[in-house]
Amino acid sequence: GESVGLHLPTLSVQEGDNSIINCAYSNSASDYFIWYKQESGKGPQFIIDIRSNMDKRQGQRVTVLLNKTVKHLSLQIAATQPGDSAVYFCAETPLSNTGKLIFGQGTTLQVKP
Amino acid sequence: GAGVSQSPSNKVTEKGKDVELRCDPISGHTALYWYRQSLGQGLEFLIYFQGNSAPDKSGLPSDRFSAERTGGSVSTLTIQRTQQEDSAVYLCASSPGQGGKNIQYFGAGTRLSVL
Repeated sequence: GESVGLHLPTLSVQEGDNSIINCAYSNSASDYFIWYKQESGKGPQFIIDIRSNMDKRQGQRVTVLLNKTVKHLSLQIAATQPGDSAVYFCAETPLSNTGKLIFGQGTTLQVKP
Repeated sequence: GAGVSQSPSNKVTEKGKDVELRCDPISGHTALYWYRQSLGQGLEFLIYFQGNSAPDKSGLPSDRFSAERTGGSVSTLTIQRTQQEDSAVYLCASSPGQGGKNIQYFGAGTRLSVL
């Protein structure tokens, strides 16, 4: 069935270190993937996306890597800052469908000063 | 407004009562989505609108749940005869079009508590 999951529920890192948040997906038909950041009491905020015809995409301090062979997605955050503390969700959707997103359970990122 | 607006931000109701949740999407966005987020969980898709039509209602958990959209803008999610398991945060998102590359922008959600 369709599912997106994350390997670790909580990740704790030191301020200034790099963070890597992982995600596994099971639907091989999914060809578009998104990372969202959700702070307490707020809605998810778009971070970065990637299509299945790409392996890597970079944004400001963030990089998303896609490994279709093992159905694995990761979000790398460089020089993690206290403001990065939040829950991070990966989500997938097949381009052919209505665009509804299938979310994973989320990883809580804690940044220690 | 600049973003997706949802109201109320919090709603406390008694079991068996009906509730209405409202979503104002970003102006000009034709696609609108409702999701539900239970405590400590990921988001669960409920329904999708393109304009005023709902081509995908597959996520609505029961016939107590319904939604409509008027004027290609505001949407209302209605839950009839609320149950305690309906307690969750209900999130609305809009995007410029359907599918793939159209990024969904979320509102802050309505936190529903059924006593």
